[in-house]
Amino acid sequence: SQQGEEDPQALSIQEGENATMNCSYKTSINNLQWYRQNSGRGLVHLILIRSNEREKHSGRLRVTLDTSKKSSSLLITASRAADTASYFCARRKAGANSKLTFGKGITLSVRP
Amino acid sequence: NAGVTQTPKFQVLKTGQSMTLQCAQDMNHNSMYWYRQDPGMGLRLIYYSASEGTTDKGEVPNGYNVSRLNKREFSLRLESAAPSQTSVYFCASSEKRAGGETQYFGPGTRLLVL
Repeated sequence: SQQGEEDPQALSIQEGENATMNCSYKTSINNLQWYRQNSGRGLVHLILIRSNEREKHSGRLRVTLDTSKKSSSLLITASRAADTASYFCARRKAGANSKLTFGKGITLSVRP
Repeated sequence: NAGVTQTPKFQVLKTGQSMTLQCAQDMNHNSMYWYRQDPGMGLRLIYYSASEGTTDKGEVPNGYNVSRLNKREFSLRLESAAPSQTSVYFCASSEKRAGGETQYFGPGTRLLVL
């Protein structure tokens, strides 16, 4: 499968703690994206990192990409109860006309 | 600016019935997509349309047809619904940019086939 793996499948932390979620993939990518899905809603784009980038920040989000290990991490700092959601890693393979491939998602619960 | 809208929100069908899921976007995006989301399976691409007048199969196209009616609208049709098509269906749109292409999702249609 070219979908790779997301790790962990579920994560439960206390408000204020940091949450780290990992994504691995198997083929060369053009970019990697993270999306959030609140319960019963559609996905919302969080951040995109290109294959020639190693780290990006957006507010409390930090994404890293290690193309040699074919892996990415999403770090949410100082988590809030409102961060409770499912998080999806989506890879766009290298090559023209490639489509996004989504992982199965990571369920994050932030306890107040 | 509503973004991506989908109708209906919920639908119950009997096996063999047909229905069309509607999707519209007001962001002037060229590309539109239909996904299904099942527990433990993530999102799987059913069909996509890179531009008005073109459609292509995704990962799981069997049992579905699509129509890109115009730039705004992209519909998904189930001709003869089966219980295996019970799922949540998401429509998305996107526009290519220099930094990469991101997708904007609708709120989903929850379909139950009995």
